[in-house]
Parts: sequence; structure tokens; C-alpha cells
Amino acid sequence: SAVISQKPSRDICQRGTSLTIQCQVDSQVTMMFWYRQQPGQSLTLIATANQGSEATYESGFVIDKFPISRPNLTFSTLTVSNMSPEDSSIYLCSVRSTENTEAFFGQGTRLTVV
Amino acid sequence: KQEVTQIPAALSVPEGENLVLNCSFTDSAIYNLQWFRQDPGKGLTSLLLIQSSQREQTSGRLNASLDKSSGRSTLYIAASQPGDSATYLCAVLNTNAGKSTFGDGTTLTVKP
Repeated sequence: SAVISQKPSRDICQRGTSLTIQCQVDSQVTMMFWYRQQPGQSLTLIATANQGSEATYESGFVIDKFPISRPNLTFSTLTVSNMSPEDSSIYLCSVRSTENTEAFFGQGTRLTVV
Repeated sequence: KQEVTQIPAALSVPEGENLVLNCSFTDSAIYNLQWFRQDPGKGLTSLLLIQSSQREQTSGRLNASLDKSSGRSTLYIAASQPGDSATYLCAVLNTNAGKSTFGDGTTLTVKP
């Protein structure tokens, strides 16, 4: 199994500012993903983080709002830019095992924008 | 497009009861199905992974079954405990390089 460390675990931010969330994995993984979970809802995929190239964004998500970096196979960051109260959500980092495609998640970042 | 549905949306049971959570999916050509547990405000914890060639998986008091032809999976929890209270999500993976599709979850409350 993969152990994922996600930081920060929670934050309260002012509107118009940006927050960068970090995701560190204890082993090299090919597939890494960023999800958003709005209050009372299920998970929505934001993007697939690609090592050494631009992330692949899902419909409704754009790089200017959610820039993602993935400099190597164990680390990625997601930035939530120019935040508004509608960005208040839990943001989750996930990886998929190359052995059996089992998915693992970080502890999540609970973001509140005021 | 794969769609995943979980029924019921919420369930409340007394401690000690056995229970079944349901997950259905529209496209039976899946690679695997995974059950997760999520505590409020936290990340997801993997409970059981069933590959497309498997019929069931067991871990402790949990048993998950998969019927690809009918597009259904069940999560059976035996002798429920208050600590089992959480939201349970199922996720379907259609290809090994693709994206997972999540259900909306079943929120379980086990009363002492």
C-alpha cells in the first residue's frame, strides 16, 4: 500500500488569495490525481497530475484556477488560485498502485474561504 | 459514460446488526471496483478491492461481492459497531489507465 502525506490538513483563507496543497507519497507512483469534494457531495476529479508535463484537466477545471506541478514520481502540488467562498471544499490527493491499480488517498485538505 | 449509484443514501442501525450496502454501475466492462470508508472531513480509506475476475473479497467483518453481468456490488458488514459509523463509497475503474467513477456514498450510523 502507499502512504500519502497531504499538507495542510485544513486552512481558512481570505477571498482573492491562493493556497498551495502538497502531496508526498512514500513510493514512486505513475498515476496521481487531485479531487475536490464539495460539502455533502461525492468526489469530483480535478485533474491527473503528469510527471514532467502539464496536468490533464477535467471538464470545468482550468489550469489558471488550479495549477498543478509534479516534478517527480513521489510529489505533487495543487494550487487553488484567486479563491472565492465557492472554493470551500475538501481537496484530496490520490495515487493508484501500479501493481493492482488499487487507489489510495491522502488525509485531505479542508479549505474554508471567507 | 459510467454511472455509479449507491443505495440507500443513509442508513441507521442498532449495534450488532448485520447490514448490506449496495452499489450499482451502468457499464459492466469494468477493470475493478473498490470500496472506501470516509470519516467526516477526512480522506478516504481503502476497505476492499475486487478485480473484474473476482467474485468477492473479505477483510475481517467486511465482505464485498461483485456481479459484473448485473452491474452490482454489495458490501456486507457483520456485527456492526458504533465505530463503523462513516460514509461508505464505491468506485469503479473501467481501464487500468483510466479514471475512477465514484458513487455518492451511503452514510451509516450505528447506534450503541
